Amino acid sequence: SQELEQSPQSLIVQEGKNLTINCTSSKTLYGLYWYKQKYGEGLIFLMMLQKGGEEKSHEKITAKLDEKKQQSSLHITASQPSHAGIYLCGADDDQGAQKLVFGQGTRLTINP
Amino acid sequence: SAVISQKPSRDICQRGTSLTIQCQVDSQVTMMFWYRQQPGQSLTLIATANQGSEATYESGFVIDKFPISRPNLTFSTLTVSNMSPEDSSIYLCSVPGPTYEQYFGPGTRLTVT
Repeated sequence: SQELEQSPQSLIVQEGKNLTINCTSSKTLYGLYWYKQKYGEGLIFLMMLQKGGEEKSHEKITAKLDEKKQQSSLHITASQPSHAGIYLCGADDDQGAQKLVFGQGTRLTINP
Repeated sequence: SAVISQKPSRDICQRGTSLTIQCQVDSQVTMMFWYRQQPGQSLTLIATANQGSEATYESGFVIDKFPISRPNLTFSTLTVSNMSPEDSSIYLCSVPGPTYEQYFGPGTRLTVT
């Protein structure tokens, strides 16, 4: 089955700084999902990437899927305290079945 | 996006008892999914619940332990049976959106003592 590895596992940045989180897959990605989770809560859908080279943005968050469709990055520009949380990447483990496998998550802390 | 609610939001249960978690969606969906997130871990898919058919369970999960009902296109329940402390987790339901996105409920935080 597909495995996703996220890096870094945790990240502490100063407010206003930019940051990048990576998600690497053991197999070709047919759908890559990015979510944000506040501690102990549900997942907030950020965006989904399907095509190699695709890039999407939402407010100050940009996600890219590389041409080979085995790696994605999530970039936050000018980080704010509201960006703090756990970021999870997920992938469709059975092409089109929408059964997701997830990375282990990246815990983001924003220092004022 | 779909609006998903779960009940209860949290519960503390005794070992050996069962808890039924409800998932309600504001629109009709063919598939609903149930996930588990153990403390400090990522999410793991338990099963897929399709209306009108038996749920499909992932490796490591069985119907006797996690029976699922799907009586209509907007509702599903997951029961955690004969609970042990190892079942302490957040349980989340999810539904697909119209363009392959997937939305999650707020989760049910279960603590088994």
